[in-house]
Amino acid sequence: KQEVTQIPAALSVPEGENLVLNCSFTDSAIYNLQWFRQDPGKGLTSLLLIQSSQREQTSGRLNASLDKSSGRSTLYIAASQPGDSATYLCAVEGEKLVFGKGTKLTVNP
Amino acid sequence: EPEVTQTPSHQVTQMGQEVILRCVPISNHLYFYWYRQILGQKVEFLVSFYNNEISEKSEIFDDQFSVERPDGSNFTLKIRSTKLEDSAMYFCASSVLRGGYTFGSGTRLTVV
Repeated sequence: KQEVTQIPAALSVPEGENLVLNCSFTDSAIYNLQWFRQDPGKGLTSLLLIQSSQREQTSGRLNASLDKSSGRSTLYIAASQPGDSATYLCAVEGEKLVFGKGTKLTVNP
Repeated sequence: EPEVTQTPSHQVTQMGQEVILRCVPISNHLYFYWYRQILGQKVEFLVSFYNNEISEKSEIFDDQFSVERPDGSNFTLKIRSTKLEDSAMYFCASSVLRGGYTFGSGTRLTVV
């Protein structure tokens, strides 16, 4: 059974800092990995999708990497802004999409 | 950018009542899903649907739950007799095969 773990559970940083969010998964037989953003009480916004054959994907200030063999992914956020404050969810697709519990990010002005 | 649309955004219902949550998936997607998130917990899988039938369901998706694609655009989740523990945010999603999921903004279900 696939298990997805995200560390840290919460992170508070000053504006402008670069940061890394971590995701690990137990079963490396995945098709892809997706990072989502969730604002309080809101839906899930897809940020990046990495196919299993890829090593990384970039979108603006976001960069996600995937090491399938070790069961790890990282989400790198450059030059963080207060508007980046949200919960970031990692999800892996095998037979179904399985989520981690998320990292709650607070960026302080 | 194409969106998954869910209605209503918030529904309050009395315990034991039936509720139907509605979703309009992205038009060229063939795979449809329901997930739920109890407050403070992980987003968890309920059911997947392809080619007009359930392809997989979780242990949560018991006989009180059902899904339907009544026409070419809508995808519904019915809960026959709601319980207090069904209170959660319910998310609909759609995808192409292995192409990443697009989620709707959710329906917050409150059972009183």
